[in-house]
Amino acid sequence: DQQVKQNSPSLSVQEGRISILNCDYTNSMFDYFLWYKKYPAEGPTFLISISSIKDKNEDGRFTVFLNKSAKHLSLHIVPSQPGDSAVYFCAAKRPSGTYKYIFGTGTRLKVLA
Amino acid sequence: DVKVTQSSRYLVKRTGEKVFLECVQDMDHENMFWYRQDPGLGLRLIYFSYDVKMKEKGDIPEGYSVSREKKERFSLILESASTNQTSMYLCASSPWRGANEQFFGPGTRLTVL
Repeated sequence: DQQVKQNSPSLSVQEGRISILNCDYTNSMFDYFLWYKKYPAEGPTFLISISSIKDKNEDGRFTVFLNKSAKHLSLHIVPSQPGDSAVYFCAAKRPSGTYKYIFGTGTRLKVLA
Repeated sequence: DVKVTQSSRYLVKRTGEKVFLECVQDMDHENMFWYRQDPGLGLRLIYFSYDVKMKEKGDIPEGYSVSREKKERFSLILESASTNQTSMYLCASSPWRGANEQFFGPGTRLTVL
């Protein structure tokens, strides 16, 4: 039972264009969402997060949008750069009082120069 | 910078062997986690610990045990390795009970023959 889904295993985007990575979840009780980026042979690194009480969070070229009614979040990267090529995981934190996160399956982004 | 290190990058073991995966973090973090990453399944939580000698099961604890005798070190133990435990194992830590961001080690690619 995959509670956090990333339905696109891969995405290719031209350098300078917008990259949009999507994530759907099933549990309306999730209260915090995070995006991690993973390069080959390295562990995931935190990228950006959003609380369930917000609908947008921005950090430089990265913006995360949360649509609670649709149980959907997305990561926008503008403009995309070749160094953004990596696997991106979304993660949802289970309701308050636990430390458990559920990760999506990841989307491999390739930014073409 | 937070540093999470894992004892081996690659490990090859035989079925039935006892396997120890070690993880060390250098930032006095309270929480530590063990995940496995498999294609198409994302990161799945095996065990986590929120204090020395404390542990809780994650989503897939079967076939694994853990040990946390010191705050900085969290060990994952495969009592009798099986081929279905061939995977990438990722250790992570987070500063305190309510912290959202996790810091990951580089991973250990374990192959069980």
